[in-house]
Formats: sequence, structure tokens, C-alpha cells
Amino acid sequence: AQKVTQAQTEISVVEKEDVTLDCVYETRDTTYYLFWYKQPPSGELVFLIRRNSFDEQNEISGRYSWNFQKSTSSFNFTITASQVVDSAVYFCALKDNQGGKLIFGQGTELSVKP
Amino acid sequence: GAGVSQSPSNKVTEKGKDVELRCDPISGHTALYWYRQSLGQGLEFLIYFQGNSAPDKSGLPSDRFSAERTGGSVSTLTIQRTQQEDSAVYLCASSLEYPSGGAIEQFFGPGTRLTVL
Repeated sequence: AQKVTQAQTEISVVEKEDVTLDCVYETRDTTYYLFWYKQPPSGELVFLIRRNSFDEQNEISGRYSWNFQKSTSSFNFTITASQVVDSAVYFCALKDNQGGKLIFGQGTELSVKP
Repeated sequence: GAGVSQSPSNKVTEKGKDVELRCDPISGHTALYWYRQSLGQGLEFLIYFQGNSAPDKSGLPSDRFSAERTGGSVSTLTIQRTQQEDSAVYLCASSLEYPSGGAIEQFFGPGTRLTVL
């Protein structure tokens, strides 16, 4: 069965702290695709990143970075020097290779306080 | 460019009534998805349309739920005889799809918040 687990339900940090959001996935597929989405208070899901299973390079985009480790089935997301605008719910997702749907984790609510 | 749009943004209805929710995908996107987000259940897949293929309806929770996609573009999600447990935010997403498989990110609309009284 395919599954995504985000064990951290809520995280609260103070501005400028670094924070890591954990994501662990389960799949029997050898080729698979992982995603992170951000859902700010306005409610619309915003795409952040897609990662293919055959590309284990870590990615950095500004203050955001992602650490993909197949050995531990994890795809963690780090925000460096967090800002209040980073406050949102963050979802990790796995694409179901039997169809097109995304299998989402339960989400991590990040609160960045000034 | 225009993103995914959904209407209405909010819908309040009485138990037992039928509702229709509309989704306009990004132009040129061949795949369209419906998801539901509720407090207790997180983000749940409902149905997926890809080109002219038969839709994947495996996520529809009951036969009161149905969806269609006309002309490969606009989609309507219909809930018949609404129940209070149908209250949720209904999200639509669209994406391109590689003919040979693979994955492209899905772009989400703002959602329709459905409240069943």
C-alpha cells in the first residue's frame, strides 16, 4: 500500500529560526514521484517541488531546501531563517502510479511567530 | 495566465438537496482531479479524468457523488441528497500528463466550501 506520513501535526518557531518538516513515505514502486505543497491561510494549495525517485540530488530554492533519502524513505523539507509569511500548512504527497491521484500526508501546520 | 477556477466559492445547502460544483482547469491541461478536504479526513482523492480515458472514480465515497467532464475541459461534481458529513472544501486540480507516464505537478483551484445544514 502507498502511504505518506507527516508525524509533526504542528510546529511553532520564532522568526529567523530554521525548521525541518518531516515526510516519510511507503511505496512498492521503484519509480515514483514526491511533492510538497503549501496551504497558506487563504486556503489555496501552492505547489513547491516535485522529486523523481531516480534523482536523489537535494534541492535548494532560496530559503527552502529538500533532503530526499531513499534509504530511509524520507523527503524532508527545511526552511532556513523562517519568516512570518511561511506560516501555513505544508503537505507532502506521493503520486499513485496506478492512476494520477496524489496521496497526501496529514499535513504539518507551521506557525512562525515574530 | 489564468489558474484553475472553481465556483461557487461557498455553498450552503440544506440536508437532502442536490448541489453542483464547477471546475475550470488551466487551458491545455489534459488531466483533472477532484479532492475533498475535511477536518477529520485530511485531503482525500475523489475522481480523476485523463483525456478520453474512463475516469478513475475509485475515491468517490458513495453513489450520491458523480462527476463529469465536458469537452475535455470544464468539470462538474454533483452531490445528490446531501448529508451533513458531506460538509468540506472541495478542491479541483489540473495538470499536463506525459503520454508515457511520469508525473507533472497538479495545480489547485481555490476550492468550494460546502456546508450542509
